[in-house]
Amino acid sequence: DVKVTQSSRYLVKRTGEKVFLECVQDMDHENMFWYRQDPGLGLRLIYFSYDVKMKEKGDIPEGYSVSREKKERFSLILESASTNQTSMYLCASSWGSSGLDQPQHFGDGTRLSIL
Amino acid sequence: KNEVEQSPQNLTAQEGEFITINCSYSVGISALHWLQQHPGGGIVSLFMLSSGKKKHGRLIATINIQEKHSSLHITASHPRDSAVYICAVPSGGSNYKLTFGKGTLLTVNP
Repeated sequence: DVKVTQSSRYLVKRTGEKVFLECVQDMDHENMFWYRQDPGLGLRLIYFSYDVKMKEKGDIPEGYSVSREKKERFSLILESASTNQTSMYLCASSWGSSGLDQPQHFGDGTRLSIL
Repeated sequence: KNEVEQSPQNLTAQEGEFITINCSYSVGISALHWLQQHPGGGIVSLFMLSSGKKKHGRLIATINIQEKHSSLHITASHPRDSAVYICAVPSGGSNYKLTFGKGTLLTVNP
């Protein structure tokens, strides 16, 4: 069965810290995505990757960076955490040369609080 | 960019009722996704459809490409169907970006 694993369900960090969120998929998917979910705003794409070492900005990349050194792992980095980055973060992956014609498989999410 | 509207925002039903959730979008698409999110966060893909109708158990999804509208139906609803249901469509201008609706919170009471 498809499995997308996020490293933490809950995380509390302090303002200014560098924060790493890790995501691992076991399906050999080409595409991986990082979203954040906020009440009233729905899911918004931060970054995505369609291949190892390839990455593209989503709709809200400011304050974030990503790393994909191996096909199965996609990391989201908050360079200097701020309180407005408190949110639910969801990782997803999908198969194929397009991210639109196959279903995306989601992890359970990381609820991140920045104090 | 594609705009997505879901209705209703909140829906409360009694066990056994027939449920309909609607999704409208502004720009023609190749396929539409329906997702389910239970309390606690995890999201599951229910359907991806580009035309007609798909059925999985008690869930039915339909799409009308000409009217830019999709519906998700749940027959014989059950409390375990309580969740947020989200539709998503291609954003336009990218082969990877989806635009998500804000979701419909469904509560099914026993």
